[in-house]
Amino acid sequence: NAGVMQNPRHLVRRRGQEARLRCSPMKGHSHVYWYRQLPEEGLKFMVYLQKENIIDESGMPKERFSAEFPKEGPSILRIQQVVRGDSAAYFCASSRDRVGAKNIQYFGAGTRLSVL
Amino acid sequence: DQQVKQNSPSLSVQEGRISILNCDYTNSMFDYFLWYKKYPAEGPTFLISISSIKDKNEDGRFTVFLNKSAKHLSLHIVPSQPGDSAVYFCAASAGNAGNMLTFGGGTRLMVKP
Repeated sequence: NAGVMQNPRHLVRRRGQEARLRCSPMKGHSHVYWYRQLPEEGLKFMVYLQKENIIDESGMPKERFSAEFPKEGPSILRIQQVVRGDSAAYFCASSRDRVGAKNIQYFGAGTRLSVL
Repeated sequence: DQQVKQNSPSLSVQEGRISILNCDYTNSMFDYFLWYKKYPAEGPTFLISISSIKDKNEDGRFTVFLNKSAKHLSLHIVPSQPGDSAVYFCAASAGNAGNMLTFGGGTRLMVKP
């Protein structure tokens, strides 16, 4: 019973390049969340998706960032024209249903993005 | 505007003693609270949670206490073990305001043998 799978684990990009981060949720989970962690800080919510729908993107920067969760395949977080400030750990989480009374978000190991 | 705060960045405890990690929040709409444990280069691992209708939840060595009037929760680990050394994050969600978790900044726990 695999957990949340993220790849790559480490990604190095030069300024101006594109970064694509992938996340496969746990089996049976249809809700996916992306969080970003800057050094020495807590995790900050970015976006919440269900299959083929963006439900809440209130934490996403307005430019250069996009996310999708297609009908088939993993969720993708895409960062265009990366800048040094995008260097961070990006975590994906999944849950079976809406987080609230009983549904817990389970996290992947993260993708560490370094922008040179 | 930090809605969830963990005011102690680090805590050192002797093996076998109790570890108490604290968390304060400001948003009265939060109704579900979680604690996660994180090792370096790994993702957060869920530990224990509590709904706002309760004031205590226990799971083995871990107990979470919630004081709604003070907007304060705490995680007790007893007895503490060296393998508990990690960064602990508290997180909160508002059930009717979306699914996002709002995290505190974390407390690094060191359990000395």
